[in-house]
Amino acid sequence: AQSVTQLDSQVPVFEEAPVELRCNYSSSVSVYLFWYVQYPNQGLQLLLKYLSGSTLVKGINGFEAEFNKSQTSFHLRKPSVHISDTAEYFCAVSSQGGSEKLVFGKGTKLTVNP
Amino acid sequence: GAVVSQHPSRVICKSGTSVKIECRSLDFQATTMFWYRQFPKKSLMLMATSNEGSKATYEQGVEKDKFLINHASLTLSTLTVTSAHPEDSSFYICSAADAGRNQPQHFGDGTRLSIL
Repeated sequence: AQSVTQLDSQVPVFEEAPVELRCNYSSSVSVYLFWYVQYPNQGLQLLLKYLSGSTLVKGINGFEAEFNKSQTSFHLRKPSVHISDTAEYFCAVSSQGGSEKLVFGKGTKLTVNP
Repeated sequence: GAVVSQHPSRVICKSGTSVKIECRSLDFQATTMFWYRQFPKKSLMLMATSNEGSKATYEQGVEKDKFLINHASLTLSTLTVTSAHPEDSSFYICSAADAGRNQPQHFGDGTRLSIL
């Protein structure tokens, strides 16, 4: 079975500050990892994914994440956040490239304050 | 990029009525579609997985007769909430994937269902 733990339910930061949203996973098989962003009353938008290869993955909107197999982590980072980054962020794991069902974490609400 | 259209975006109806939600893939063949339910301030809960032309696979605890899923074509899946009650009020999100390409799922914008 697979599971995802997002350690922080809420992360408040000031504009232009760096941010890290933490994600740890558990899986008995090979994993594929994803970060999605959800704006209010909208669906999910893919930020980035790790399927294989380089452990540092760059995504849209200046976000990046690093896959750490030994720590079973896939933390999301951005060096300088904007007000518009305020949203809910979900980490997810799949046993395949994403066309199989995703197991989501509980989400982290990122609030960027001026 | 790939687009998944979900309709309606919001629906309000009386208790006891049935509500149909459509999920369409606009520029790719969705061999697999997923239906999720999201409670306020909660994560997404997978309700069922549907493959084109076959019966949906429901997750444990999801009532098959309550949430009818049809995936009759490679671009359309529907979720019908039958005899809806206030406890069925929620945000429902679909996603679609082309299993042959093994690419990430693309999500619709969700449907806010409110049962009075």
